[in-house]
Amino acid sequence: RKEVEQDPGPFNVPEGATVAFNCTYSNSASQSFFWYRQDCRKEPKLLMSVYSSGNEDGRFTAQLNRASQYISLLIRDSKLSDSATYLCVVTHLSGGYNKLIFGAGTRLAVHP
Amino acid sequence: GAVVSQHPSRVICKSGTSVKIECRSLDFQATTMFWYRQFPKKSLMLMATSNEGSKATYEQGVEKDKFLINHASLTLSTLTVTSAHPEDSSFYICSARKAPGLAPYEQYFGPGTRLTVT
Repeated sequence: RKEVEQDPGPFNVPEGATVAFNCTYSNSASQSFFWYRQDCRKEPKLLMSVYSSGNEDGRFTAQLNRASQYISLLIRDSKLSDSATYLCVVTHLSGGYNKLIFGAGTRLAVHP
Repeated sequence: GAVVSQHPSRVICKSGTSVKIECRSLDFQATTMFWYRQFPKKSLMLMATSNEGSKATYEQGVEKDKFLINHASLTLSTLTVTSAHPEDSSFYICSARKAPGLAPYEQYFGPGTRLTVT
């Protein structure tokens, strides 16, 4: 079983739509949680951290449920520029380092 | 800002040859650098963690004699793919952690190197 599981998509949505991505993780010792964005053939870039209390950054809302080991990302009012792959990332201590464990990503395509 | 560069951005090489990829932190000192590999439509997989001046720590299943890592200074780490084969074709991404940063978000990614072995 993969340590971080995501629906690969693709999610094809029109501009202005609201879209939600889900992610589950298997290691209950995971400490920190993030969403990254990766454009085609580019490096991943940090989108936002995820907290149990939930956090919002403009049109993006992230939520963490530690009990069910579930992470979500909600994008409101989708823009064409939101088209990318969204990576769910967790961290845990291993060998003295806080290692990033990446999901395979969920691809989003926003169309006019 | 915190900028990490990689060189080359893409490379095509013949099977059996070796390829060196450089990762540089341009405006900060990085005590720790990480090397990842990403196959198409797959997740980034950590290959190894390197600290300046010491041997790299490789993840399970990654051959240390095939993927040579040298972290010679606080701003430079290199990954050499030795005796490359077509199955080594992948997107190699490095990241650097600011010293003494411990938070994951203080890990900055390079733009990646696309390796194609023919």
